[in-house]
Amino acid sequence: GQQLNQSPQSMFIQEGEDVSMNCTSSSIFNTWLWYKQEPGEGPVLLIALYKAGELTSNGRLTAQFGITRKDSFLNISASIPSDVGIYFCAGQLGNNDMRFGAGTRLTVKP
Amino acid sequence: NAGVTQTPKFQVLKTGQSMTLQCAQDMNHNSMYWYRQDPGMGLRLIYYSASEGTTDKGEVPNGYNVSRLNKREFSLRLESAAPSQTSVYFCASQRGLDAAQYFGPGTRLLVL
Repeated sequence: GQQLNQSPQSMFIQEGEDVSMNCTSSSIFNTWLWYKQEPGEGPVLLIALYKAGELTSNGRLTAQFGITRKDSFLNISASIPSDVGIYFCAGQLGNNDMRFGAGTRLTVKP
Repeated sequence: NAGVTQTPKFQVLKTGQSMTLQCAQDMNHNSMYWYRQDPGMGLRLIYYSASEGTTDKGEVPNGYNVSRLNKREFSLRLESAAPSQTSVYFCASQRGLDAAQYFGPGTRLLVL
């Protein structure tokens, strides 16, 4: 099936450090999205990528849609305590079907 | 503009009981989705409706049925609940394939 492999599973970092996480797949996706989820809430969209090679920023967040359409990464610069949460990548196929990675749990130590 | 709303927020069922989870969106989005989220597994797509009048199976459809009642509403039904269906269920909507999905707050379901 169209599975997404997200890594790392968890990260423990110091406030101010940069963070990088990525997703890979053996399948090609039309769209890559990155979401953040906090306890008891639904996922909230951070960045959406619609074209292969696209590099998009949203404040301290930067994400790229891999040129092969099989991977994406998310970088967070100068992390702050409120960055804590679970980050999910998601890939959407042309028929609306959507797949999510298992998530990266981020802990930021002040 | 409430976005995506889901009811109920919490539910406890006994094995074999049935129930319907409701979802509505007020963003005039064409597509709607139902996911389940289990610990350590991310979100898995159960069913989706690309447009009003159509529904399709996702990754884990067994044990569920859906109805796209109108453009705003997309319900998920468990005909005979099983303990394996204990999960958090999220509904999402999307304007089109060139747009992002927006999620509701979730329904926490416990099947005993």
